[in-house]
Amino acid sequence: GENVEQHPSTLSVQEGDSAVIKCTYSDSASNYFPWYKQELGKRPQLIIDIRSNVGEKKDQRIAVTLNKTAKHFSLHITETQPEDSAVYFCAARRGKSTFGDGTTLTVKP
Amino acid sequence: DAGVIQSPRHEVTEMGQEVTLRCKPISGHNSLFWYRQTMMRGLELLIYFNNNVPIDDSGMPEDRFSAKMPNASFSTLKIQPSEPRDSAVYFCASSFYRLAGGNEQFFGPGTRLTVL
Repeated sequence: GENVEQHPSTLSVQEGDSAVIKCTYSDSASNYFPWYKQELGKRPQLIIDIRSNVGEKKDQRIAVTLNKTAKHFSLHITETQPEDSAVYFCAARRGKSTFGDGTTLTVKP
Repeated sequence: DAGVIQSPRHEVTEMGQEVTLRCKPISGHNSLFWYRQTMMRGLELLIYFNNNVPIDDSGMPEDRFSAKMPNASFSTLKIQPSEPRDSAVYFCASSFYRLAGGNEQFFGPGTRLTVL
């Protein structure tokens, strides 16, 4: 089955810096890659997603890149703010979704 | 709009009992998702529907789990019989599916299930 590895497990950045979270997947047939943000004690939010026919997608300060050959995709957050502090989960879907274990991002003011 | 509504918010039951979780998606949305979250297993997508039809249920852990969407405004997730390892927070989410992507999902507040 699909295996998704997410790195790093924790990430601390200074406000205004960029943050990058990377996920690798094993099933080359996976064709949909969403990213979720979950603040402490709150419900998840799907913040951005990308399909396998697209290499990059941007939405304001967040972007996702996909490298199908290398089977990895990354979340990029620019100009980080304290409210970006949360746990971020990646997922890869081919029918069934497989999630990464999450990255705890802390943005220090 | 009140957002995605889930009930009950908390459920405590004994092993072997039937549990039914309910979800009312946002009006006009045509996709509905059931997720489960635990510390041990993390976040899991159990099943999702498009236009009330189950599209993929490969995330459903066992035959004890079943989900239905009899109409566009209501879905249930049933566990029968329940076991302690089913204890988790169950989230329902809905979205308006666009083939072009950008399908923002709106999550409900979750149901915290404890099976003793």
